[in-house]
Amino acid sequence: QKEVEQNSGPLSVPEGAIASLNCTYSDRVSQSFFWYRQYSGKSPELIMSIYSNGDKEDGRFTAQLNKASQYVSLLIRDSQPSDSATYLCAVEGDDKIIFGKGTRLHILP
Amino acid sequence: EAGVAQSPRYKIIEKRQSVAFWCNPISGHATLYWYQQILGQGPKLLIQFQNNGVVDDSQLPKDRFSAERLKGVDSTLKIQPAKLEDSAVYLCASSQDVVTDTQYFGPGTRLTVL
Repeated sequence: QKEVEQNSGPLSVPEGAIASLNCTYSDRVSQSFFWYRQYSGKSPELIMSIYSNGDKEDGRFTAQLNKASQYVSLLIRDSQPSDSATYLCAVEGDDKIIFGKGTRLHILP
Repeated sequence: EAGVAQSPRYKIIEKRQSVAFWCNPISGHATLYWYQQILGQGPKLLIQFQNNGVVDDSQLPKDRFSAERLKGVDSTLKIQPAKLEDSAVYLCASSQDVVTDTQYFGPGTRLTVL
């Protein structure tokens, strides 16, 4: 059974600090990795995708991928109260996407 | 560009009743997904369509759930009969072509089974 593991949190981070969200996956052949943000009562929306080892930056967001360690992370710099949400890690393998349970992030004003 | 449309937004039924959900994907999107999201968990894929063909339905409880995508556009998901554990949000998503394309989610249908 292919799995995507995330710490459910909540992760509390002071406003302006860096929030670090982590995700591990079990399928070694996975090639595509996604981070979705889901506000309470809303649907998920894609914020980052990453396909190769290393870092990918988009504004305040940086996705990091280490396929050897089967680990993907999301860093949010200069955290804002509007970043408070659940962050879902999704991993594609064998033409299927599996979502983790998500990490609840709470930015403290 | 219009987003993914779903209806109804909320549904309350008693166990053993049947229910149907409707989804209209973004125009031109070939791939359509139905997910079940139980409170506190991530979305679980129930079924994936490519145009009007089924790509993956390995996690669809086929004894009670069915889905169709006639003409490769909109789709319906049916539960018959419903169980208490079916209480969840049912999300429809679409993507332009392959699974690695960005998935756009609809607002979801919140189902409560009493």
